Amino acid sequence: EAEVAQSPRYKITEKSQAVAFWCDPISGHATLYWYRQILGQGPELLVQFQDESVVDDSQLPKDRFSAERLKGVDSTLKIQPAELGDSAMYLCASRLAGGTGELFFGEGSRLTVL
Amino acid sequence: KQEVTQIPAALSVPEGENLVLNCSFTDSAIYNLQWFRQDPGKGLTSLLLIQSSQREQTSGRLNASLDKSSGRSTLYIAASQPGDSATYLCAVDSNYQLIWGAGTKLIIKP
Repeated sequence: EAEVAQSPRYKITEKSQAVAFWCDPISGHATLYWYRQILGQGPELLVQFQDESVVDDSQLPKDRFSAERLKGVDSTLKIQPAELGDSAMYLCASRLAGGTGELFFGEGSRLTVL
Repeated sequence: KQEVTQIPAALSVPEGENLVLNCSFTDSAIYNLQWFRQDPGKGLTSLLLIQSSQREQTSGRLNASLDKSSGRSTLYIAASQPGDSATYLCAVDSNYQLIWGAGTKLIIKP
């Protein structure tokens, strides 16, 4: 069964260090999302891609976060430097082009910043 | 601006009971509504997607309904089991943006 792949599942880092997360969406899914989720809350959109283009990054803290999807397939989310408040679950999701179909999530990457 | 609310935030029921989870939204101009399940420390699993033209969708013991005019969706779980314990979230697809509820944490007591 097709699934969204994410790595690493867990990451522990010290503040001021750089960290990167990788996501491989379901094959054929042109729309890709990165979300951040704090325990007990709904997901917060960080960035949305349509193929290799950014559609919405209005909530992405651009002074420290960056995201790319160079060939319109897999994607990387980077944080540099990491801060204590970045500790959260980072979720990747994808769906077919058009952006209104069923959304599928990966298992997430749990970040702890010490 | 679309807002999505899920009440209650937490619910605990004995095994075997039928139950209903609620999702309310403020703007009826939606494309679809999706229900998800999230286990602790895991990603979200899609349960049901209801298009704006549909009234309900069913999958096994789950039934989701949509009433756009009243801004409500319900997720009905029949014959609940301890394995149904999880957080259930709804997301409304509105103007090409997904607006999320905060979720209902469901505990099924054996």
